[in-house]
Amino acid sequence: QSALTQPASVSGSPGQSITITCTGTGSDVGGYYYVSWYQHHPGKAPKLIIYDVSDRSSGVSDRFSGSKSGNTASLTISGLRTEDEADYYCLSYTVSGTVIFGGGTKLTVL
Amino acid sequence: QVQLQESGPGLAKPSETLSLTCTVSGGSIDSFYWNWVRQPAGKGLEWIGHIYSSGRTNYNSSLKTRVTMSVDTSKNQFSLKLTSVTAADTAVYYCARGGGRKWDAFHVWGQGTMFTVSS
Repeated sequence: QSALTQPASVSGSPGQSITITCTGTGSDVGGYYYVSWYQHHPGKAPKLIIYDVSDRSSGVSDRFSGSKSGNTASLTISGLRTEDEADYYCLSYTVSGTVIFGGGTKLTVL
Repeated sequence: QVQLQESGPGLAKPSETLSLTCTVSGGSIDSFYWNWVRQPAGKGLEWIGHIYSSGRTNYNSSLKTRVTMSVDTSKNQFSLKLTSVTAADTAVYYCARGGGRKWDAFHVWGQGTMFTVSS
């Protein structure tokens, strides 16, 4: 099974908002409200930021929000900060009882 | 505060077996799904599979012929074996805790351990 589709990179300036999309099929993203998002700084452990499409993990800033429409889930980061620069991955449950990651998106804060 | 720590040999030759263990501290291994995830250099995260505390497993279809996961509740550990490794298996390997349902997100992660396949 191929990875969920994410843009390879997105960029924004401090204070701006950006959205990262995660596109799958009706057998994964579109079929379940079990999409999560992870922030990954190189050399560190990935960190859960959003689960169940739109719920923020404990301690995560409300600048991070998640949503879903059809087969596409989205992560929006508002009020961009330099520390938000990282790789972001979506993860979805699938009809096979497994999970699958997106290909990852590199966020650059200019 | 639950913490996870991966351990195991960091190097193997082609065709050998990768064996990693994840030790859970600060909490019980019972009633959770425990996952293995890897990341080759310059590439994205790949889910390898999960094991429930009862021993029930589910694997990534692309790896399932080579993967075996096990759990030792007495030691609060779970393990990964990957047979017939090649250079393509060189990666940072992470263990992660899911929830009580197989679709739950990964709330806790280990720091990761580098595994290299080289002759």
